Amino acid sequence: GENVEQHPSTLSVQEGDSAVIKCTYSDSASNYFPWYKQELGKGPQLIIDIRSNVGEKKDQRIAVTLNKTAKHFSLHITETQPEDSAVYFCAASSEEYGNKLVFGAGTILRVKS
Amino acid sequence: DVKVTQSSRYLVKRTGEKVFLECVQDMDHENMFWYRQDPGLGLRLIYFSYDVKMKEKGDIPEGYSVSREKKERFSLILESASTNQTSMYLCASTPEVPVYTFGSGTRLTVV
Repeated sequence: GENVEQHPSTLSVQEGDSAVIKCTYSDSASNYFPWYKQELGKGPQLIIDIRSNVGEKKDQRIAVTLNKTAKHFSLHITETQPEDSAVYFCAASSEEYGNKLVFGAGTILRVKS
Repeated sequence: DVKVTQSSRYLVKRTGEKVFLECVQDMDHENMFWYRQDPGLGLRLIYFSYDVKMKEKGDIPEGYSVSREKKERFSLILESASTNQTSMYLCASTPEVPVYTFGSGTRLTVV
């Protein structure tokens, strides 16, 4: 089955700096790669996703890149703000496995002001 | 505003008790999932359901069962709670495409 590895496990950045979180996946059949943000006391919320026919996607200060050959994808947050502090999860899924999401272990992002 | 509602935010139960965690969604989604979240392990799939009365085991089903009698409700059952089931439990639902909506979670402590 699919296995998703996520790095780093914790990340501290200064407000205004960029943050990058990286994930690798094992199953070449995976074709959907979402990123979720979990704030304290809340469930994870989808912030951006990318499908395998696209190499990059942007939404304001966040972007995701996908390298299918290397089987890795990354989340980029620019101009970080204190409200970006949260736990971020990457995930992967494929139609072959019924669209079930397999999650990475999570990254705790702290933005210091 | 679409919602996945988990009935309890915090639960404390004794070892050996039968525990019910309830999840209700108002989006008419076919698919519902139960995950547990532990530090350093991410979210691990316990059980899922693609339709009423249907259930499938996920990656860590041991010690758990589920019930889906109505489309909007998916219950997770701990038959005999143990301390290693102390965790955050997250319910999610999705239409055919895998865009999940999660509930706020239930933090279960088994003492």
